Amino acid sequence: GNSVTQMEGPVTLSEEAFLTINCTYTATGYPSLFWYVQYPGEGLQLLLKATKADDKGSNKGFEATYRKETTSFHLEKGSVQVSDSAVYFCALISNQAGTALIFGKGTTLSVSS
Amino acid sequence: DAGVIQSPRHEVTEMGQEVTLRCKPISGHDYLFWYRQTMMRGLELLIYFNNNVPIDDSGMPEDRFSAKMPNASFSTLKIQPSEPRDSAVYFCASMGGYTGELFFGEGSRLTVL
Repeated sequence: GNSVTQMEGPVTLSEEAFLTINCTYTATGYPSLFWYVQYPGEGLQLLLKATKADDKGSNKGFEATYRKETTSFHLEKGSVQVSDSAVYFCALISNQAGTALIFGKGTTLSVSS
Repeated sequence: DAGVIQSPRHEVTEMGQEVTLRCKPISGHDYLFWYRQTMMRGLELLIYFNNNVPIDDSGMPEDRFSAKMPNASFSTLKIQPSEPRDSAVYFCASMGGYTGELFFGEGSRLTVL
C-alpha cells in the first residue's frame, strides 16, 4: 500500500541555519505530494505541494522537489526563523480517487534565536 | 469565507459520559475528514465522507465511536461511553474535490477524567 516516511525529530536549529527534512514515499501510480505545517495550538495547514515528477513546490521560503527516481520530497529552507518552529508533515494522495490523504508521522522543528 | 469550524474547542468530561464533537466544513467542499492527534499515536484518520456518505471508517477505534454527516454543512463525532484513553485533540478537515488540499479546523481538545 501507499505510505510516507519522514525523518524522526525533533530537529533543533539556530536562526538562519539551513533546514532539510527528509521525506520518502511508497505509492503505486502517480501520487501528488504535500507538506503541511502545524503551529502550536492550531490545525494543520498546507505549506506546499507538487503534483507530478520534477515539480517544485514553494511557499514562505520553503521548497520541495518531487523526485520520482528516488521517491522523495524533501523539505528545504535556506534560512530558518524562530517563527518556523512547528511540526511538519509530509503527505501524499493517490491518483486513484476515493483514497484518503496519507500523512507521515510529523517532524518537530525548533528554532532558537 | 469562513474556514472549518469545530465545537467545542475544549471539553472536559468524566469517564462514561457521552461526548459529541461538531464540525461545519467549508461551503462547497465535498470531502470531510475526522482525525485524532495524540503525542503517543500522532495523527490518525478516523473516518472520512464524500458527499455526506462515509467512505472509510476503518480508523474508528471501536464501537464506542460513531460519526454522522446528515447534510453537506454539518458532521458529528460521538463517543459513548467515553474513556480516559480517548483524551486527544480531534480535528475535522474538509476538501473541495479530490485534490489533497485539506483545510483543517482548530481542533477540539477532549479530556476524559
